[in-house]
Amino acid sequence: GAGVSQTPSNKVTEKGKYVELRCDPISGHTALYWYRQSLGQGPEFLIYFQGTGAADDSGLPNDRFFAVRPEGSVSTLKIQRTERGDSAVYLCASSLIAGAYNEQFFGPGTRLTVL
Amino acid sequence: AQSVSQHNHHVILSEAASLELGCNYSYGGTVNLFWYVQYPGQHLQLLLKYFSGDPLVKGIKGFEAEFIKSKFSFNLRKPSVQWSDTAEYFCAVYDRDDKIIFGKGTRLHILP
Repeated sequence: GAGVSQTPSNKVTEKGKYVELRCDPISGHTALYWYRQSLGQGPEFLIYFQGTGAADDSGLPNDRFFAVRPEGSVSTLKIQRTERGDSAVYLCASSLIAGAYNEQFFGPGTRLTVL
Repeated sequence: AQSVSQHNHHVILSEAASLELGCNYSYGGTVNLFWYVQYPGQHLQLLLKYFSGDPLVKGIKGFEAEFIKSKFSFNLRKPSVQWSDTAEYFCAVYDRDDKIIFGKGTRLHILP
């Protein structure tokens, strides 16, 4: 079947604007993860969902960042009042369930540029 | 929380050369370790993983990694690289809170 998909692939916005980034996980995967990858860095954990609930949101940098997964499938990462420092590639991954033994499959990412 | 250090940020090799990329994690106990690879223009994908048992782990495309508990290391190796191995490689550890902690990555460039 299809892999993890993310839309848009690129997003350019102005400082202070609101953006939404979407992730479609692999069908049947109950765990969904968001990571942020800044230039020259590895992916950095933001939040993960097991089903509809956020199981761990400790990686969200501040309260401008929020993510939802209302029906336990598609997830949206929302960033309010964007800042230039938010520019990065935002990666989504999904796995059958949470846990080390379940491989996380990554999407292509959304490249966010805040001008 | 765990952290991961990758020693080489950028490595350039000629085809057929041997490869070893260093990786250290921060503390002991039971660890689950991974190497991920991102080929140009492609998604991040799992190369190999260690959970327990034989500390020498074999992955796809001829890659292997050795878990050395006493050194907190999980170095990636390949005896003879190919041009198609040009990619960015990330070492990662599974943290107890069900999240993966990645290193900063090593960009590998293979000269044809």
